[in-house]
Amino acid sequence: GAVVSQHPSRVICKSGTSVKIECRSLDFQATTMFWYRQFPKQSLMLMATSNEGSKATYEQGVEKDKFLINHASLTLSTLTVTSAHPEDSSFYICSARAGTTNTGELFFGEGSRLTVL
Amino acid sequence: GEDVEQSLFLSVREGDSSVINCTYTDSSSTYLYWYKQEPGAGLQLLTYIFSNMDMKQDQRLTVLLNKKDKHLSLRIADTQTGDSAIYFCAEIKAGTYKYIFGTGTRLKVLA
Repeated sequence: GAVVSQHPSRVICKSGTSVKIECRSLDFQATTMFWYRQFPKQSLMLMATSNEGSKATYEQGVEKDKFLINHASLTLSTLTVTSAHPEDSSFYICSARAGTTNTGELFFGEGSRLTVL
Repeated sequence: GEDVEQSLFLSVREGDSSVINCTYTDSSSTYLYWYKQEPGAGLQLLTYIFSNMDMKQDQRLTVLLNKKDKHLSLRIADTQTGDSAIYFCAEIKAGTYKYIFGTGTRLKVLA
């Protein structure tokens, strides 16, 4: 199946700094990628839809200036958590839709655990 | 309602069958999915069912769909300790690529 890779898998940063998380589709082109946030023992919350070459579409309640998304190529989307605070600590997961499938299947990255001290 | 609902926990003995239930929200959803999440990892697609099907079997996995009640279930036959994980159902909103995930069911398999 298609592979989506996230980097870094774990990151610890100080409060007030910015952190960038990368999401790459390794063997397919993804015009659309999705970013989710998962709190402990909870479901995935869709944060935004990342479209290659255009602005991301954010879900209600998600601050676009706080969570910057860039989808500069068909294989890479980045999520930058700006001026991170402890409440931003979470598990962030990206997914990508392989354009050649008809099932609408999403392929997920391994997730990135952010801890803000 | 807006939530895709699942029971939070399920505990079974190794070798028994597990049945994980899900109630979804959008009767026009075209595809319904089951994903597995192991600790600290991303999601792995287990299986999916198209909305015009009632049942789909894939090795140890059987998916049942009741469109009238908007109820989806996943049966795992001969459950193994390696099946211990969180299982999410998901629906795709008609006309979009947006997935709506269920609350997740934590399956614990006892040896």
